[in-house]
Amino acid sequence: KAGVTQTPRYLIKTRGQQVTLSCSPISGHRSVSWYQQTPGQGLQFLFEYFSETQRNKGNFPGRFSGRQFSNSRSEMNVSTLELGDSALYLCASSPREASGELFFGEGSRLTVL
Amino acid sequence: DAKTTQPTSMDCAEGRAANLPCNHSTISGNEYVYWYRQIHSQGPQYIIHGLKNNETNEMASLIITEDRKSSTLILPHATLRDTAVYYCIVRPSYGNKLVFGAGTILRVKS
Repeated sequence: KAGVTQTPRYLIKTRGQQVTLSCSPISGHRSVSWYQQTPGQGLQFLFEYFSETQRNKGNFPGRFSGRQFSNSRSEMNVSTLELGDSALYLCASSPREASGELFFGEGSRLTVL
Repeated sequence: DAKTTQPTSMDCAEGRAANLPCNHSTISGNEYVYWYRQIHSQGPQYIIHGLKNNETNEMASLIITEDRKSSTLILPHATLRDTAVYYCIVRPSYGNKLVFGAGTILRVKS
């Protein structure tokens, strides 16, 4: 069974640009969550989607947004990039809405210059 | 979300049991204890979870005290590949949001 796939794995952007990251969950998983990991703040929850609906949102500015499609694939977007947005963005999927057992992808590493 | 406290780092000899403690004194009755680990440059990996009773799976054992204020993750025979950051997380029974702390850096040495 294929794991969680995130694309792109690495990307470099400049301040003010926007970026879209993609996540394909494990087949059959309907819940997708996103996390940001930085050396200073550690792993922080961004948002969670289930059946195309956002179920929970972390404490991030409105520049961070996401969505989930009918095939459970998810995207997150960060607009007006800032240097501090440089991070590893991790996507995780779960078969159920209230599982706690998340399967993480390897992440998309974003560098903002 | 209940807060967890873990030691910053621990060392363990290869082949020995690794016992990783976690304090969660403000845990509520409907909150579960989850353990994840993150090996360098990879996404976190689920290890085990429990509510009240001790739990065991192919990776580890989880011992939760009777008052549920603390728990211990046990890796019975640590290998070099178990070197990672281990996160103890308290999670309510609803949703998939996980609040990660700083975790414990476990170094397994030969």
